[in-house]
Amino acid sequence: EPEVTQTPSHQVTQMGQEVILRCVPISNHLYFYWYRQILGQKVEFLVSFYNNEISEKSEIFDDQFSVERPDGSNFTLKIRSTKLEDSAMYFCASSSTRNTEAFFGQGTRLTVV
Amino acid sequence: GQQLNQSPQSMFIQEGEDVSMNCTSSSIFNTWLWYKQDPGEGPVLLIALYKAGELTSNGRLTAQFGITRKDSFLNISASIPSDVGIYFCAGQNAGNNRKLIWGLGTSLAVNP
Repeated sequence: EPEVTQTPSHQVTQMGQEVILRCVPISNHLYFYWYRQILGQKVEFLVSFYNNEISEKSEIFDDQFSVERPDGSNFTLKIRSTKLEDSAMYFCASSSTRNTEAFFGQGTRLTVV
Repeated sequence: GQQLNQSPQSMFIQEGEDVSMNCTSSSIFNTWLWYKQDPGEGPVLLIALYKAGELTSNGRLTAQFGITRKDSFLNISASIPSDVGIYFCAGQNAGNNRKLIWGLGTSLAVNP
C-alpha cells in the first residue's frame, strides 16, 4: 500500500542550526502539507503546497521556515535557524486531487538543544 | 480562527465496552476526519465524512457528520486492547489549501 515516508525519524540539532526534514509523498498525490505536534499537544497546521507553490501557511510558518519540492518525489521543510521551541514531531502529509483526506507519514522527531 | 472541542479528553474502559467521543466546532466544516495516533507514530486515517448527516462505518468504528456541519462523533463497539491510542477529529474546508483543523484528542486506555 502506498505510504508517505519521512526521514530522518529523529533529528537532534543545536539551537541556531539549520535543519532539513525530508518527505516522499504518495506518488500520484498533488497536495502536500507539513504539520507539527509539540509533545502532548494537538497537531498544528504549518503549510500546504500545491502546484509548486504555497497555498496557505499558518502564523507558525514564519520567515525561518521554507518548503521546497526539489524534484518529482521529495518535499522538504527547512528551518533556517532552529529555536528550542521548534522541538516537536513534524508530520508530512499528502492528498490526491480526487479525495481530500490527507495521509500522514510517521513523522520526524526534532529535538533542539 | 476555527476551534474544535473534542471530548472526552481521556477514557479508561474495560475490554468489550463501547466507546463514544465527539467533536464540536464554532463554525461549519465541509469534511470531518477521524484519525488514530499510536505513540511515536503518525496519525492514521480511520474514517472520512463528506456530507452532513452521513453515517459511515469501518469495522467496529462508526462515525457521523452532524446535520449542522459543526459536529461529529466516533463510536467504537466492543473495544479490544489494540484500540488503545489517541483519537483525533479533524475538520476541513473546501479550497486548494485543504488544511486540517485538529481537536485536542481523546486518549483511550483499554483494560483487558
